[in-house]
Amino acid sequence: AQSVSQHNHHVILSEAASLELGCNYSYGGTVNLFWYVQYPGQHLQLLLKYFSGDPLVKGIKGFEAEFIKSKFSFNLRKPSVQWSDTAEYFCGHATNAGKSTFGDGTTLTVKP
Amino acid sequence: EAGVVQSPRYKIIEKKQPVAFWCNPISGHNTLYWYLQNLGQGPELLIRYENEEAVDDSQLPKDRFSAERLKGVDSTLKIQPAELGDSAVYLCASSLGGRVGNEQFFGPGTRLTVL
Repeated sequence: AQSVSQHNHHVILSEAASLELGCNYSYGGTVNLFWYVQYPGQHLQLLLKYFSGDPLVKGIKGFEAEFIKSKFSFNLRKPSVQWSDTAEYFCGHATNAGKSTFGDGTTLTVKP
Repeated sequence: EAGVVQSPRYKIIEKKQPVAFWCNPISGHNTLYWYLQNLGQGPELLIRYENEEAVDDSQLPKDRFSAERLKGVDSTLKIQPAELGDSAVYLCASSLGGRVGNEQFFGPGTRLTVL
């Protein structure tokens, strides 16, 4: 069985601060990882994904994530957050058969 | 390009009543997903369709939940009878094929309240 855990339920930062959201997964097969974001009043949308190759993945809006196999982690980072990054962020894993499991999400509030 | 459409956006019913949710995926997307999202949690897969075939319904509570995807396009998710614990957001998503690398596009969801 696969599982995903996100360490922080709510993170509050000031603009220009650096961001790192933790994500750990548990799965014995091929690892396929992603981050989705949900801005206030909007749909869930893909931020970035890792399925193979370079473990440092770059996504939209300046976000990146690093897959560290030894730590079973896929943390999301951004060097300088903006007020518009206020949203809920979901880490997840998908099996090769296409079954997705999401974490419980982290709410990010960026103060202007 | 139109996104995934869901209706209704909100539904309030009394327990033991039936309820149905409708989803229209992005044109050309043959894979369709229904998720359940409880407050403070991430989406949980209920069922996944490849065209009109349900390829993963292992998490669907079949005693009260049912789903169909006639002609491999629109889909309906039904609950009968609804229970208090069914109050949640029901999300529909679609993708261009069920391969793991394909992005899922989500609809706005239907927020169900069972009284």
